[in-house]
Amino acid sequence: DGGITQSPKYLFRKEGQNVTLSCEQNLNHDAMYWYRQDPGQGLRLIYYSQIVNDFQKGDIAEGYSVSREKKESFPLTVTSAQKNPTAFYLCASSHGGGGGNQPQHFGDGTRLSIL
Amino acid sequence: GQNIDQPTEMTATEGAIVQINCTYQTSGFNGLFWYQQHAGEAPTFLSYNVLDGLEEKGRFSSFLSRSKGYSYLLLKELQMKDSASYLCAVLSSGGFKTIFGAGTRLFVKA
Repeated sequence: DGGITQSPKYLFRKEGQNVTLSCEQNLNHDAMYWYRQDPGQGLRLIYYSQIVNDFQKGDIAEGYSVSREKKESFPLTVTSAQKNPTAFYLCASSHGGGGGNQPQHFGDGTRLSIL
Repeated sequence: GQNIDQPTEMTATEGAIVQINCTYQTSGFNGLFWYQQHAGEAPTFLSYNVLDGLEEKGRFSSFLSRSKGYSYLLLKELQMKDSASYLCAVLSSGGFKTIFGAGTRLFVKA
C-alpha cells in the first residue's frame, strides 16, 4: 500500500541535542512538507520541498533543517537552536503544486518531547 | 496578514446536521481544503473547493464564496465516529504553501 511513514512515533530530546525525524513516502509525490502542530493552533509550515535537491523555508524554519537527496525521503532535524521543540510533527506529500486540487497526504506524526 | 478563523468547538447530536464555518484572509487563493483529524492521528482529506458553490460528497458537503472569503463544511446524518477536529486550509498563490486554521473540534453526542 502506498503511503507516508514517519518514525519514530515518540521521541525525547535532551538539552543541547540535535534529533532527526524520518519521513518516507512511496506515493511518487514530488512535493513534501513538514508541519508543527501545537495544542489549540493550526498546522504551521516548517519547510517544504517541491523537487529533489531543492527546499524552501516555511513560516517557522528557525532551529530546523532538512534535506531532500531522494524523492522518497525528507528528514527533518530539530537542532539545539530550537528552544521550544515540544510538539507534534507532521510530514506530508502531494503531487506537484502550481495550483490544482492536489490534497496533501499526511504521515501519522512524531511526538517530540524534552527530557 | 494571513488569517483563517474557525470556531474552536462545536457539539451536535447523533443523526443531526452540523455546519462548520471558516473565514479566511490570505495573500492569494488557489483553493480551499477541508481535512478531518482524529486526536493524535494524521489529518485526512475531505474536500476541495476552488470555484464558488457547493461540492457534495456523500454525507459531507463543502461550500465556497471567494468574494466573501467564506467556506463551510456540512456534515449530515452525524455519527459518533465523526467526533474529530476539522481543519480548514487555504492554498496560497504559487500552489505549494497551504495555510491551516486552528481547527474546529466537533463532539457528537448520543
